[in-house]
Amino acid sequence: SQQGEEDPQALSIQEGENATMNCSYKTSINNLQWYRQNSGRGLVHLILIRSNEREKHSGRLRVTLDTSKKSSSLLITASRAADTASYFCATGKAGGSYIPTFGRGTSLIVHP
Amino acid sequence: DAGVIQSPRHEVTEMGQEVTLRCKPISGHDYLFWYRQTMMRGLELLIYFNNNVPIDDSGMPEDRFSAKMPNASFSTLKIQPSEPRDSAVYFCASSIVLSGTGELFFGEGSRLTVL
Repeated sequence: SQQGEEDPQALSIQEGENATMNCSYKTSINNLQWYRQNSGRGLVHLILIRSNEREKHSGRLRVTLDTSKKSSSLLITASRAADTASYFCATGKAGGSYIPTFGRGTSLIVHP
Repeated sequence: DAGVIQSPRHEVTEMGQEVTLRCKPISGHDYLFWYRQTMMRGLELLIYFNNNVPIDDSGMPEDRFSAKMPNASFSTLKIQPSEPRDSAVYFCASSIVLSGTGELFFGEGSRLTVL
């Protein structure tokens, strides 16, 4: 079964708006990663947040982590049409080897 | 570095035929993963290797699936015999470490269609 599940399954916004995607997971983790997948391509790593961090920024990306709620969010600010892609979170169980497991992803469409 | 290289990019075959998917990981990466992606089930981990040794194959759906890594620069995923429900995109990924701090590098995938 998937460790991480993204929500919503699909998101459609206008260029310039912010996009927020959420990830929920089941067991304690060491850290959480977000990946992006353009249509027909492989996944590309975006950002990693460790379990002792609450927030992390990278350019227009902002990731938060709430370990008490076992959830994370990815915020893309001032979205662009080029941000259209699927976004996945990847988690690995704490205390053992990190076996990256993914959810079904959030499909983001940014309309120009 | 050219990244993770997968072949073929597309394969169409008939039910019952043998399918072999190939992967060349990034040089120096000790871990190699095979994933399968479908609309229904998302991205599923099939098997992963460490230093060419299979560590966990619990995600392999059934005996029709097998994976090998004869050396550090090459891995195969074989399906024999193939069935229509095997139609999916198969991804290979490699990583330097398995601590959660190392990112996965994915290939572009092999899209398999079994008629």
